[in-house]
Amino acid sequence: QKEVEQDPGPLSVPEGAIVSLNCTYSNSAFQYFMWYRQYSRKGPELLMYTYSSGNKEDGRFTAQVDKSSKYISLFIRDSQPSDSATYLCAMSAGFSGGYNKLIFGAGTRLAVHP
Amino acid sequence: DTGVSQDPRHKITKRGQNVTFRCDPISEHNRLYWYRQTLGQGPEFLTYFQNEAQLEKSRLLSDRFSAERPKGSFSTLEIQRTEQGDSAMYLCASSLAGAGPETQYFGPGTRLLVL
Repeated sequence: QKEVEQDPGPLSVPEGAIVSLNCTYSNSAFQYFMWYRQYSRKGPELLMYTYSSGNKEDGRFTAQVDKSSKYISLFIRDSQPSDSATYLCAMSAGFSGGYNKLIFGAGTRLAVHP
Repeated sequence: DTGVSQDPRHKITKRGQNVTFRCDPISEHNRLYWYRQTLGQGPEFLTYFQNEAQLEKSRLLSDRFSAERPKGSFSTLEIQRTEQGDSAMYLCASSLAGAGPETQYFGPGTRLLVL
């Protein structure tokens, strides 16, 4: 079993829809949680960063972490065709106040159609 | 553009050949990471450097792989005697440790195809 599980999709939604993306994990030592967006043939780009449990909002994006359930979510409001990409969750156990290696999910492919 | 550059962007080689990739991190970043990403999967950690010191290596990094970061600047990843299973996207990321939350910035990757 992988440390981080993520449904690969694809997920297809109409423009303007609310998108919910999720990951589950098994390592209770994880305390740093991130969402990256990756366009085709590009490197991952950091969208959201959360430490420990709770919610964080940035524009149309909201990240939620529930450590008791080992479950993290990313919500995208008013989705746009430009949001079409692969969304990767990533997490780390942390190291001396920072963190080192990231453990990624497989990524969920999202398509937002006009 | 995150400021992390990788060269080459694409590499096609024959099985058994050696290949070398280069990563130029954001200039003030002291940590540099290498990841490998295969089709339909997320990136997998290979190794990382704190300045010029290589501090951790994944078991994915067989003895055919070697990475260096001379003088804590750019880094190279060499694969000797390539195998078809080495075909993947090789991603480099850099970060600045010690100044609050550490964010890893990824380069565009080098896509390797071994024939």
